[in-house]
Amino acid sequence: DAGVIQSPRHEVTEMGQEVTLRCKPISGHNSLFWYRQTMMRGLELLIYFNNNVPIDDSGMPEDRFSAKMPNASFSTLKIQPSEPRDSAVYFCASSTRNRVGYGYTFGSGTRLTVV
Amino acid sequence: GDSVTQMEGPVTLSEEAFLTINCTYTATGYPSLFWYVQYPGEGLQLLLKATKADDKGSNKGFEATYRKETTSFHLEKGSVQVSDSAVYFCALSGTGGSYIPTFGRGTSLIVHP
Repeated sequence: DAGVIQSPRHEVTEMGQEVTLRCKPISGHNSLFWYRQTMMRGLELLIYFNNNVPIDDSGMPEDRFSAKMPNASFSTLKIQPSEPRDSAVYFCASSTRNRVGYGYTFGSGTRLTVV
Repeated sequence: GDSVTQMEGPVTLSEEAFLTINCTYTATGYPSLFWYVQYPGEGLQLLLKATKADDKGSNKGFEATYRKETTSFHLEKGSVQVSDSAVYFCALSGTGGSYIPTFGRGTSLIVHP
């Protein structure tokens, strides 16, 4: 199993540009999560999906952020327009929803820098 | 709401020293408890877990025991290596029917040769 795959690993963009982060969860996992990690705030849950349906997006900071999961093997997190304060590492994680003690599998993250 | 409190880092040790990273939690019901490790430039990896009181999770020489009476899940290792340098996150889930974990802020461990 290749694990959770995120792309790109690094992204540098100018303020105001659109940024799209991508995630491929582990096959068979039916829950997918997007997290943001910064030194100031630690690990923040942005949004999560069950069976491709968004369940809770209360962690999405602003309307500039949007996430989609068109099928069980792909999800995107989009920021439009991007701002310097969006600079962070964004992680995708997947899990098997019905097993509370199972834990998550995280991707390696996308380090976003907005200049 | 649920919360996890970890000791602040960084924790700096010499190789072969004994490690303890404290973790306490506040939760309703009986959560499952986890330790995750994040190596530089990587995502979090599940290190160990315990799903009920008095359970001991263990992996790669690390151990943690689910202590319901003290609401704690301290991480220990008898002899750390330089390769253990990473950030360690304590987490809980499974309260109120939710499997979404609550993470602590993380504790950085630096091991010197």
